Amino acid sequence: EVQLLESGGGLVQPGGSLRLSCTASGFTFSNYAMTWVRQAPGKGLEWVSVIIATASSTNYADSVKGRFTISRDNSQSKVSLQMNDLRAEDTAVYYCARTRGSVVYYFDSWGQGTLVTVSS
Amino acid sequence: EIVMTQSPATLSVSPGERTTLSCRASQSISSNLAWYQQKPGQAPRLLIYSASARATGVPARFSGSGFGTEFTLTINSLQAEDFAIYYCQHYNNWPVHFGQGTKLEIK
Repeated sequence: EVQLLESGGGLVQPGGSLRLSCTASGFTFSNYAMTWVRQAPGKGLEWVSVIIATASSTNYADSVKGRFTISRDNSQSKVSLQMNDLRAEDTAVYYCARTRGSVVYYFDSWGQGTLVTVSS
Repeated sequence: EIVMTQSPATLSVSPGERTTLSCRASQSISSNLAWYQQKPGQAPRLLIYSASARATGVPARFSGSGFGTEFTLTINSLQAEDFAIYYCQHYNNWPVHFGQGTKLEIK
């Protein structure tokens, strides 16, 4: 069974930093791209970032480019999202998702999410 | 960027009925479309990919269709557990985008 477990969320002040992690199990992690998707309270889904299986390529939404960095450790089946210079509009539940597709992707398994709240 | 528009925003349907949700892309996305179901307090769940392929474990009452810019998700014989929010997502190019969602509620 595919399992994705996010951690690292919490309350942070504007301008602060936070590092999210997602630990995977139940599949060969190194074979899959991984993605972060977020959902602001009461709102829809927003794609944030993706990293391909070999970690040689990443992509970011314009809203987080230059502030967020995605990385992965295939030896630990873990994907991380380093979030710097956080803003109120970054407040959301952050989901990691196993990613399918050839060049552009959809998301076939999701974690339960971790809540990030940016507030003073 | 490709914008995804779902309609209606809310749909009230009785259990046992059939319903159709719509998703429109601002430009052609071929069949690069996925549908997700999200229940309150839960993560999204993949239902359909490639516009019409059911994901593993998805009941046969869910079906997807469409190509280009117009897509539909049909749910036959609605069950109590089907009342949720449904999102479409294109994956034709970067950045991928989701629709704003259709809330399916019990009539």
